Amino acid sequence: QVQLVESGGGLVKPGGSLRLSCAVSGFTFSDSYMSWIRQAPGKGLEWVSYISNSGNTKYYADSVKGRFTISRDNAKSSLYLQMNSLRAEDTAVYYCAREVRWVGLVPVDYFDYWGQGTLVTVSS
Amino acid sequence: DIQMTQSPSSLSASVGDRVTITCQASQDINNYLNWYQQKPGKAPKLLIYDASNLETGVPSRFSGSGSGTDFTFTISSLQPEDIATYYCQQYDNLPPYTFGQGTKLEIK
Repeated sequence: QVQLVESGGGLVKPGGSLRLSCAVSGFTFSDSYMSWIRQAPGKGLEWVSYISNSGNTKYYADSVKGRFTISRDNAKSSLYLQMNSLRAEDTAVYYCAREVRWVGLVPVDYFDYWGQGTLVTVSS
Repeated sequence: DIQMTQSPSSLSASVGDRVTITCQASQDINNYLNWYQQKPGKAPKLLIYDASNLETGVPSRFSGSGSGTDFTFTISSLQPEDIATYYCQQYDNLPPYTFGQGTKLEIK
C-alpha cells in the first residue's frame, strides 16, 4: 500500500537548520511530482515547496524562498527539505504529499497521498 | 498571489442536515479548485478536485460546484464521521498554491 513517511523533525533554535526526509513506497516515485505543505499549531495549511518528477523544476513559497531547499533522490524514493535560517514562524507540522498533475490526458493538480507529518519546533 | 476566502470559519449542524461551505478566489481560477477534509491529528484527505469531481472512494453525499471565483462545497446529509475541518485549495496552473482558512464542522 502507499506510504509516505516523514522524518527529521524536532526542536531547533532560531537561526538553526534541519533536514526533513520523506520516504515513499507503494507508487512510482520517479514519475511523481511532490510538494511539502506545512501546518502551524492550530492553524491552516500552507504550501511550502514543489519539485518536478525529474527534480529539474522547483518552486517555493515566498515565506521560505532563499532559506529552504527541496530535493529528491529517485533511486532511494525519497524527498527532502533542507531548512536553514529557521524562524519561530516556521514551527509547524510538515507534510510531504504527492501531487497529481495529469489524469490520462486531462490536466489536473491535486494532492492525493500525504504523509503523517513531522513536527518542527523553532524555539530558544 | 491568489487569495482564497473560505466561509464560515466554523459551523455547527445536526446529523442529517445539509451543510454548505463557500470559497471565493481573489481572481478567476477557472475550475482549479480542490476540497480536502482533515480530521484531528491526521493528514488532509482529498475529497473533490477540479471544483466538482469526486475523488474515488469518497461518499456521494459530498459534492462541489462553481467556477471562476465562487465555489461551493456541500454535504447533502451530515454524518457523525464528517466531523472535521474542510479546506479549499486553488492551483491556477502553477505554484504558489493557496488554501482557504478552513471550516471547522461540529455536530450540534
